[in-house]
Amino acid sequence: DAKTTQPNSMESNEEEPVHLPCNHSTISGTDYIHWYRQLPSQGPEYVIHGLTSNVNNRMASLAIAEDRKSSTLILHRATLRDAAVYYCILRGTYSGGGADGLTFGKGTHLIIQP
Amino acid sequence: GAVVSQHPSRVICKSGTSVKIECRSLDFQATTMFWYRQFPKKSLMLMATSNEGSKATYEQGVEKDKFLINHASLTLSTLTVTSAHPEDSSFYICSARDYPGRNEQFFGPGTRLTVL
Repeated sequence: DAKTTQPNSMESNEEEPVHLPCNHSTISGTDYIHWYRQLPSQGPEYVIHGLTSNVNNRMASLAIAEDRKSSTLILHRATLRDAAVYYCILRGTYSGGGADGLTFGKGTHLIIQP
Repeated sequence: GAVVSQHPSRVICKSGTSVKIECRSLDFQATTMFWYRQFPKKSLMLMATSNEGSKATYEQGVEKDKFLINHASLTLSTLTVTSAHPEDSSFYICSARDYPGRNEQFFGPGTRLTVL
């Protein structure tokens, strides 16, 4: 799997936007960019994914660079409940056979200040 | 979204005993489930892929005889840690997709195993 690079930690204030960067310079043309987050002592939670175009959902937005070598997860208005470790993960096109687990990096620990 | 549960949420056992952890998909059928392990302040590591009706596929370095996986139905996979030792103490997390190839993967809440 192609590698991703994220800052170890970031800090933001409550009710302000947060931009979480991810570098993936070795991404292949068929790799999807996924974001998951993990709150303390819980299992990860899907946030968003994309391939080439920017994506929006109720949780966040995903901005993908034109060359796809980097992306940014955007939380439009952070709350204390958004404090978590955010993982940027690349996943290739599913080719069958069931082998489809995710490879987690170290992620970014997001700290939200009240 | 689809819900995945795990039982128990927390277990403490003595060294040398075996512990079974259940992973259930509550509102969907999962032909494939995944087992991860997470040590304190570390990231999740994929241990194995659990396939309904067939043998599990283990990641390199994971002992299949120590971590027994059974995926007997489309909604249940179990992980048994045999002859547990203190170094097996970890946070065990399962996940599933509601259909093969789906981008979103649903994770259980995790099971905290402490081996004394």
